[in-house]
Amino acid sequence: ILNVEQSPQSLHVQEGDSTNFTCSFPSSNFYALHWYRWETAKSPEALFVMTLNGDEKKKGRISATLNTKEGYSYLYIKGSQPEDSATYLCAFCSSNTGKLIFGQGTTLQVKP
Amino acid sequence: DVKVTQSSRYLVKRTGEKVFLECVQDMDHENMFWYRQDPGLGLRLIYFSYDVKMKEKGDIPEGYSVSREKKERFSLILESASTNQTSMYLCASSYGFAGAAGEKLFFGSGTQLSVL
Repeated sequence: ILNVEQSPQSLHVQEGDSTNFTCSFPSSNFYALHWYRWETAKSPEALFVMTLNGDEKKKGRISATLNTKEGYSYLYIKGSQPEDSATYLCAFCSSNTGKLIFGQGTTLQVKP
Repeated sequence: DVKVTQSSRYLVKRTGEKVFLECVQDMDHENMFWYRQDPGLGLRLIYFSYDVKMKEKGDIPEGYSVSREKKERFSLILESASTNQTSMYLCASSYGFAGAAGEKLFFGSGTQLSVL
């Protein structure tokens, strides 16, 4: 059974703090790693799709790195704002199955 | 903008009822997916479809079936709803093979189903 783990499960930070969370996935049969942001009462939205070891992606204050050899990806948020409050999901795609396996998510709460 | 629309935001049904969850996408996407989200668990794939009239079982298909008569519409059917099917259901679509470079999923806003 393929396992995708995200840590921490939840996080409370003050506005302006920088934060990061981790997605761990199998280091074999890697195809792609996705990050999504899911705000309450809205649809999950794709942040990044990463395919190459060493990939770094950036979107505004949010960035992500990828290490396929050791099986982890970090998501960084610089200078958190209340509107960053959401659940962040990562999903691993195995070259064996072609299906996305989601982690359980990290819920971020940013206090003004 | 791509839009994936789920017919209901909240639904309350009784045990044993037949339940239909509808999903429509407006971007001519080939692939459509049904997931469920439960507290403490990741999104779990129920069924997916790569083409009209085509369906594949996901990781947890038991108690569910699907229908894809038209490219834009993918329905999830609970033949006889049970209390353990109380969950948030999310529909998603993608143009290419989800997992291929750049082929992100587009999600609907979810249906919270309660089975009493």
